[in-house]
Amino acid sequence: EAGVTQSPTHLIKTRGQQATLRCSPISGHTSVYWYQQALGLGLQFLLWYDEGEERNRGNFPPRFSGRQFPNYSSELNVNALELEDSALYLCASTIVGAYEQYFGPGTRLTVT
Amino acid sequence: AQRVTQPEKLLSVFKGAPVELKCNYSYSGSPELFWYVQYSRQRLQLLLRHISRESIKGFTADLNKGETSFHLKKPFAQEEDSAMYYCALSGRSFQKLVFGTGTRLLVSP
Repeated sequence: EAGVTQSPTHLIKTRGQQATLRCSPISGHTSVYWYQQALGLGLQFLLWYDEGEERNRGNFPPRFSGRQFPNYSSELNVNALELEDSALYLCASTIVGAYEQYFGPGTRLTVT
Repeated sequence: AQRVTQPEKLLSVFKGAPVELKCNYSYSGSPELFWYVQYSRQRLQLLLRHISRESIKGFTADLNKGETSFHLKKPFAQEEDSAMYYCALSGRSFQKLVFGTGTRLLVSP
């Protein structure tokens, strides 16, 4: 069974640009979570999507947004990039009703 | 608010020594607790969940609700156990994972 996949592996953008990160969950998983792993800040919850709807968001500004598609894949968009957005962005998926999450390899976003 | 504390940033032991990675949590509801491990250049992997009470790779963790702890233990550390370990908390009222800051375990020969 394939695990959670994320693309691209690396993304380099300049300040003020927009970044789009993609995630495909494990087959059968309907919930997708996004986390930011920034140096010195640990893993911070960003967004949770389930059945195409945003269910919860973490303490991040509105320029962090996303969506979930009918096939349960998800996209994270970061607008007006700032230098401090440089981080590893992790996607995780789970089945409905479960608490344990399964993680993808991450997308390393570098903002210059 | 939910919170997970891992007091040690780095734990360095010799091969064959016992290991205990500490985790304390703060949550007024019924917690769901997990240990995740991240080996070098690999993705974050689920190691243990408290509800299954299983032993994976020789590691065990017991939920102590009185002390609000979920420490990870292994009687004899191996070099391949060297990795970053994260304790994580979830619950019905917030449906996300709250992570501790992680402990790097270094097992020397």
